[in-house]
Amino acid sequence: DAGVIQSPRHEVTEMGQEVTLRCKPISGHDYLFWYRQTMMRGLELLIYFNNNVPIDDSGMPEDRFSAKMPNASFSTLKIQPSEPRDSAVYFCASSLPGQTQAFFGQGTRLTVV
Amino acid sequence: AQSVSQHNHHVILSEAASLELGCNYSYGGTVNLFWYVQYPGQHLQLLLKYFSGDPLVKGIKGFEAEFIKSKFSFNLRKPSVQWSDTAEYFCAVKGGTNAGKSTFGDGTTLTVKP
Repeated sequence: DAGVIQSPRHEVTEMGQEVTLRCKPISGHDYLFWYRQTMMRGLELLIYFNNNVPIDDSGMPEDRFSAKMPNASFSTLKIQPSEPRDSAVYFCASSLPGQTQAFFGQGTRLTVV
Repeated sequence: AQSVSQHNHHVILSEAASLELGCNYSYGGTVNLFWYVQYPGQHLQLLLKYFSGDPLVKGIKGFEAEFIKSKFSFNLRKPSVQWSDTAEYFCAVKGGTNAGKSTFGDGTTLTVKP
């Protein structure tokens, strides 16, 4: 398996534009997580899904952020409209239930100017 | 709710020095514990994990961690660090009714001076 795949690797956009980050989890993993990492706040869990259903979205910072998982092999994190303070590295991770580690993607480095 | 606390924000060591990074968690039930490492510019990778059995866990690159249930701790150790160990280290816990969710500590930045 190729691991968790995220795209794009880098995204630079202007303030106010819509940004869509994509994630393909490891096949067979039924948990999917979206994290954001910044120097100021460290690693924050934004939202996670179990069997394509959002379980906990309490980490989503604002209504400008939304996440979907239309099927077991694909998830998106959308920011609309984007703001400079959204600049961060966004990681997607997937795992099996309970006693296994989370496998992380390479991350998407988002810069909003 | 489970939480993880890493006491050291930034640790600076010289090569060959010994390392111990603290990690405490708060959860009363059965937990699974992890240490992840993030090298500069890279994603998180698993260093080692504890599920059950021997509380002293050995991981990759000479790292080990000891689970002390009475202290709710899972400290990471390495007897002799190398410059290539410069990275950020995250402790994480999974457990209880929220078994799918990993809770991460704030991370410890380790800088090893050559």
